[in-house]
Amino acid sequence: VQLVESGGGLVKPGGSLRLSCAASGFTFTDFNINWVRQTPGKGLEWVSSISSSSSYIFYADSVKGRFTISRDNAKNSVFLQMSRLRADDTAFYYCARAISGDVFDVWGHGTMVAVSS
Amino acid sequence: EIVLTQSPATLSVSPGETVTLSCRASQFINTNLGWYQQKPGQAPRLLFKSASARATGIPARFSGSGSGTEFTLTISSLQSEDFAMYYCQQYHDWPPYTFGQGTKLVVK
Repeated sequence: VQLVESGGGLVKPGGSLRLSCAASGFTFTDFNINWVRQTPGKGLEWVSSISSSSSYIFYADSVKGRFTISRDNAKNSVFLQMSRLRADDTAFYYCARAISGDVFDVWGHGTMVAVSS
Repeated sequence: EIVLTQSPATLSVSPGETVTLSCRASQFINTNLGWYQQKPGQAPRLLFKSASARATGIPARFSGSGSGTEFTLTISSLQSEDFAMYYCQQYHDWPPYTFGQGTKLVVK
């Protein structure tokens, strides 16, 4: 059972970045996938959630209108398209699986996003 | 939004001791609470769901309790590998899922 994030990097304020989360070892369509971020040295902040069939999508207020979550069940992957990035979006981004309204039982290793000029 | 407050922020303890970490919710969340452990450079690891249901592979020295708004995580006979950050998370009323700010266990 594994989640692997990719796509992080250094981007200028106002720029865009697309994160990917590749799943393996479990029935992908049985689970919601979430993105959670963590500022270096700080706590955890839930960012977005997508249901198994993409019917339900939710965002934290801090990213609403700037981030878009999607998934490709044929490729066992979830994506987070981030636009109009700001310095306070700088964080480690984790994807994590959950049954709807439940704990996050499997997490990826994370990918770092740095927004700086 | 439900706010979770963890206390204390830092706990200084010696191996072999028993510690209790606290998580308080700003409103009723029944037992819809999880606990996570995070070590430096690693992703969070699920310890408990439903406040007291131990996740797969979690040693019995870890126990969780509470309901409503008050929750505790107890670690008995602390081992060296237990020194880490611990977070609580509510999933009673979401979105958003919310996390506490964490408690750091350090070696005395």
